[in-house]
Amino acid sequence: DAGVIQSPRHEVTEMGQEVTLRCKPISGHDYLFWYRQTMMRGLELLIYFNNNVPIDDSGMPEDRFSAKMPNASFSTLKIQPSEPRDSAVYFCASSFVRHYGYTFGSGTRLTVV
Amino acid sequence: AQKITQTQPGMFVQEKEAVTLDCTYDTSDPSYGLFWYKQPSSGEMIFLIYQGSYDQQNATEGRYSLNFQKARKSANLVISASQLGDSAMYFCAMREGRGAGKSTFGDGTTLTVKP
Repeated sequence: DAGVIQSPRHEVTEMGQEVTLRCKPISGHDYLFWYRQTMMRGLELLIYFNNNVPIDDSGMPEDRFSAKMPNASFSTLKIQPSEPRDSAVYFCASSFVRHYGYTFGSGTRLTVV
Repeated sequence: AQKITQTQPGMFVQEKEAVTLDCTYDTSDPSYGLFWYKQPSSGEMIFLIYQGSYDQQNATEGRYSLNFQKARKSANLVISASQLGDSAMYFCAMREGRGAGKSTFGDGTTLTVKP
């Protein structure tokens, strides 16, 4: 299996622009998570899905952030409009059993200038 | 209160020696899981080891073992025979409840292995 695939690896955008991050989880994994990592706040859970249904989006910072999972093999995280404080590494991860850890993607490093 | 506390921002260990990375947790849920992840300088997150709250024995995975002390709410990671490739950031995480849902991560400990 190719693992969790995220795209793009790096994104530089101007403030106010729309940004879309993409994730393909491991086939058969029924949980998908979006985390954000910054020096100041560490790893924060933004939202997670179970069987394509959003379960907990309490970590989504504000209405500028939205996430979708239209099918079991694809999820997006959208920021519109983007702001410099959104600059971070965004990780997608998937899992399928409780006694095993997440498989993380390589992350998307987002820079908003 | 923080759910996961890692009190050691940085640790040093000599190559081939053992090192313990500390982690304490806080939960009132009787069912939970504890995890350790490794993040090398390249940035990826790698799952290392899992301990369930009902597990009687400490988890082991190769050179990694988890020293689980339930009454003290601690889940320390022990790395035996350290290697230069073990230099990385290490995160402790907890997942509450019986499902395979969200985990809360600690702030991490940076481990440096000296030759």
